[in-house]
Amino acid sequence: GQQLNQSPQSMFIQEGEDVSMNCTSSSIFNTWLWYKQDPGEGPVLLIALYKAGELTSNGRLTAQFGITRKDSFLNISASIPSDVGIYFCAGIPTSGTYKYIFGTGTRLKVLA
Amino acid sequence: EAGVTQSPTHLIKTRGQQATLRCSPISGHTSVYWYQQALGLGLQFLLWYDEGEERNRGNFPPRFSGRQFPNYSSELNVNALELEDSALYLCASSTGRGGGEFYEQYFGPGTRLTVT
Repeated sequence: GQQLNQSPQSMFIQEGEDVSMNCTSSSIFNTWLWYKQDPGEGPVLLIALYKAGELTSNGRLTAQFGITRKDSFLNISASIPSDVGIYFCAGIPTSGTYKYIFGTGTRLKVLA
Repeated sequence: EAGVTQSPTHLIKTRGQQATLRCSPISGHTSVYWYQQALGLGLQFLLWYDEGEERNRGNFPPRFSGRQFPNYSSELNVNALELEDSALYLCASSTGRGGGEFYEQYFGPGTRLTVT
């Protein structure tokens, strides 16, 4: 199935550091969503973006809808151990009928 | 407010059997989505139900089917199970109404299906 390109695939960071990850596509998207998934659980919605250029924050998390509508970015400031998990982006392409496409995930590990 | 619930938590079947997975959406949500997440991989869209009707399906064979009941709960059926069907099956729900809220899917904990 079709998937979004998400990078990096995994990252180890020190507690307190800032984290950046992104999601890119060759298609234009109407909506971008960012999720976090802990082992053995379902993804939890973090941030939803609806307009090109939109910048939205949720606590220490900030996400942006790229101007080209083909990418999105997620930043986590001052990371803490509970930020560990897999972060997925998801988008709805303009050509689809509400068929969500998910990124391949970024596995984040925080070293205390 | 209760979140999306799924049952069973784990399901073990043998090749060729049928599996039935169940999902109850968040109260007030009318849309239910099913996804397959193979180990270590991303989510693959399976099916979307809204107001009792199938609205869209992903690139999966017809042996993956389901339905949505009048109370908006949903069932996913997988017939003639194959080894590669082993995965975490996730259900999500959304309001089904227009506007930004419609796009915000909320996931259940998933059903881990193992085919031996």
